[in-house]
Amino acid sequence: DAGITQSPRHKVTETGTPVTLRCHQTENHRYMYWYRQDPGHGLRLIHYSYGVKDTDKGEVSDGYSVSRSKTEDFLLTLESATSSQTSVYFCAISSWDSYGYTFGSGTRLTVV
Amino acid sequence: EDKVVQSPLSLVVHEGDTVTLNCSYEVTNFRSLLWYKQEKKAPTFLFMLTSSGIEKKSGRLSSILDKKELFSILNITATQTGDSAVYLCAVDSSNTGKLIFGQGTTLQVKP
Repeated sequence: DAGITQSPRHKVTETGTPVTLRCHQTENHRYMYWYRQDPGHGLRLIHYSYGVKDTDKGEVSDGYSVSRSKTEDFLLTLESATSSQTSVYFCAISSWDSYGYTFGSGTRLTVV
Repeated sequence: EDKVVQSPLSLVVHEGDTVTLNCSYEVTNFRSLLWYKQEKKAPTFLFMLTSSGIEKKSGRLSSILDKKELFSILNITATQTGDSAVYLCAVDSSNTGKLIFGQGTTLQVKP
């Protein structure tokens, strides 16, 4: 679907364990983003990247880290998962010429 | 703090009705406003608006931006059950493509 895939699609994990979500693109876009979606909050930016090894925080970055060692891959890590991080996580890419974002299919993460 | 607010948060209509969804924003450096439709999975792009007063149209959907009053509307005419979805409004106010999203409007179209 437009060259962006997320894995895994679903994950259940225990409180306190580390979790890594992967976003992979084949579009060679410079910008990549991680958002979380929760009822009543819409989509909120966690971290974003504007190039290999270039990342920055979004509005809800506490408890999350990211890495981008290759243009095509953007990893989101929950260092020690908490129940408040139960959410749907979306990755997005942007060419930012006319159509805004293309979203991945999302990862539903449940922390028990 | 940059903010995007959508209203109503939810709406139930019957097929054939016309609906208007609202999006207001307060941002420090407006670049564009975008509308997305989200069914069960990822949001899909509808419109991108950058200039006031110019209507964007796609079939039964249309949208317009008012940069003076800081809002946009999304109109759907002759609604169908397939229009049932969450409609998201987002504003780009940076040069890094970060989008600020509203809470979304959940539209349910009944047969």
